[in-house]
Amino acid sequence: ETGVTQTPRHLVMGMTNKKSLKCEQHLGHNAMYWYKQSAKKPLELMFVYNFKEQTENNSVPSRFSPECPNSSHLFLHLHTLQPEDSALYLCASSLTGTGGGAYGYTFGSGTRLTVV
Amino acid sequence: SQQGEEDPQALSIQEGENATMNCSYKTSINNLQWYRQNSGRGLVHLILIRSNEREKHSGRLRVTLDTSKKSSSLLITASRAADTASYFCAHSRSNDYKLSFGAGTTVTVRA
Repeated sequence: ETGVTQTPRHLVMGMTNKKSLKCEQHLGHNAMYWYKQSAKKPLELMFVYNFKEQTENNSVPSRFSPECPNSSHLFLHLHTLQPEDSALYLCASSLTGTGGGAYGYTFGSGTRLTVV
Repeated sequence: SQQGEEDPQALSIQEGENATMNCSYKTSINNLQWYRQNSGRGLVHLILIRSNEREKHSGRLRVTLDTSKKSSSLLITASRAADTASYFCAHSRSNDYKLSFGAGTTVTVRA
């Protein structure tokens, strides 16, 4: 385990379902991130939270809704997704030094999402 | 786009050989980092090189940085089957904690 825990590991959902992804870290990091990873494409930064405040939303469709109740927990609420949203969703955390500080980002193992 | 680009996209080598992959970026950076991702898992931080450094070593990893060419390379020496993974470079701009990642190089080490 890396110190960043993501649940569930796998999720299959229909286009009309509502589900949530969860991310948890107890590393003392104050920044948390959601990334989307699709095959053969660069990681897409979706949302950034710094000290629980959302600091970035990279034009993500409103069917993805993030929530950060405290510096240790991050959620991604999903509703009415499309098949093209199928991907690996990665959560990461870091300190807010440049580039995440000397140790960079710590990633969770990801949630493999399939939308049917 | 602020994202970096890795080259080659894929690399297949024999166990014991060296693997070299390159990364290019477009902006001024504060540091550049390399990460490894095993199939279907999260990324793991390997090494960070600062903009005022030219070369850095960590075990069998050697990273170089050429800020004039906006490029970096990662060398894995004496590769092992366990090195089979995708490798990503990521960079940050000055005073920015956010990283921009490339699309990665997939390395396959044949036994």
